[in-house]
Amino acid sequence: NAGVTQTPKFRVLKTGQSMTLLCAQDMNHEYMYWYRQDPGMGLRLIHYSVGEGTTAKGEVPDGYNVSRLKKQNFLLGLESAAPSQTSVYFCASSYLVHGYEQYFGPGTRLTVT
Amino acid sequence: TQLLEQSPQFLSIQEGENLTVYCNSSSVFSSLQWYRQEPGEGPVLLVTVVTGGEVKKLKRLTFQFGDARKDSSLHITAAQPGDTGLYLCAGPNAGNMLTFGGGTRLMVKP
Repeated sequence: NAGVTQTPKFRVLKTGQSMTLLCAQDMNHEYMYWYRQDPGMGLRLIHYSVGEGTTAKGEVPDGYNVSRLKKQNFLLGLESAAPSQTSVYFCASSYLVHGYEQYFGPGTRLTVT
Repeated sequence: TQLLEQSPQFLSIQEGENLTVYCNSSSVFSSLQWYRQEPGEGPVLLVTVVTGGEVKKLKRLTFQFGDARKDSSLHITAAQPGDTGLYLCAGPNAGNMLTFGGGTRLMVKP
């Protein structure tokens, strides 16, 4: 099992450009999450999904959109990138939500110039 | 808003030393998790504590959940270079999503 995979691993964007980050999991988990990690701030939840076809806003959703058309995939989109979105992005999945282990992907390092 | 504060933010020690890192909140949490994150990788769960006063041991790592379920600590005995990484605590918030602390970055020098 590959667990949680993310593509790409690195990306540099110019302000105003768009991109999509892809997350895939092969553990048949219902819940999937997108986080951003900035120095000293831990992980902050951007959006999450409780099942195929559903999405919900997390703590810092502005400037991002998500889609979960298939249970195993969770896409994070940036329509018009801004320098404030320079961060490391992590996708995670879990079987259930409360008290259950979250499995994380290796991360995508995004720089917006 | 349920916040988790971790201290210290940075810790650099020599191999063989003992250390304790802390995770504190003014709010009560039903459970707390500890994750370790190595450079270039995602966090990996170490332990979940669910009962006030609970102590869990994982080899040289000892985790304690405060009696009032507002704080937790991680103690490492005889630290090794392989313990180097970012240690994150996390707990479920009112929306049942995880809230993460800012992390303690540990470096163990050989």
